[in-house]
Amino acid sequence: AQSVTQLDSQVPVFEEAPVELRCNYSSSVSVYLFWYVQYPNQGLQLLLKYLSGSTLVKGINGFEAEFNKSQTSFHLRKPSVHISDTAEYFCAVSGAGGYQKVTFGTGTKLQVIP
Amino acid sequence: DTAVSQTPKYLVTQMGNDKSIKCEQNLGHDTMYWYKQDSKKFLKIMFSYNNKELIINETVPNRFSPKSPDKAHLNLHINSLELGDSAVYFCASSQPPGGSKHFGDGTRLSIL
Repeated sequence: AQSVTQLDSQVPVFEEAPVELRCNYSSSVSVYLFWYVQYPNQGLQLLLKYLSGSTLVKGINGFEAEFNKSQTSFHLRKPSVHISDTAEYFCAVSGAGGYQKVTFGTGTKLQVIP
Repeated sequence: DTAVSQTPKYLVTQMGNDKSIKCEQNLGHDTMYWYKQDSKKFLKIMFSYNNKELIINETVPNRFSPKSPDKAHLNLHINSLELGDSAVYFCASSQPPGGSKHFGDGTRLSIL
């Protein structure tokens, strides 16, 4: 079994400031990790994913995340946010390899303040 | 071309009615899913099909019955709708292993 914890339900940040959205996971097996973004009235869209290899993963829209196995974390970062980044962000985890069920976190609402 | 399309986008109906939601993907993926997102944005998997076969059924009431006529389609039929069924239902597809999910835009179901 696996689980995902997104400790921050809401993160307000000023435009052009950096942001970090936290994600911690637990799993007894190797994992794949994902970050999705959901804009209002839309489905989820993949930002980035970690399957293997380099622990620093770059995604779309200037986002990146770092897989830290010892801290079981996969925090999402962006050096300078825009108003258009205002959305709900979901971290997700699955077991690695073959078909595995994906578990989503409860989401973090990023509110960019002009 | 929309990768994952689901219809209808909005569904308003009365308690006790039966309704269906349709989903189609043109990505050639083998696996399709139904998720329920509640008012607090919590996303919970309901069903997953791989090549038309049910592989996940997450303690969903029997009133919910998925059907996959082929691997590009996954429909959801709901009998005897209840107030608690009000939510946004998302269809998604992916290509395991490690494939990211592609989501439809959701069906907003409101029970009166």
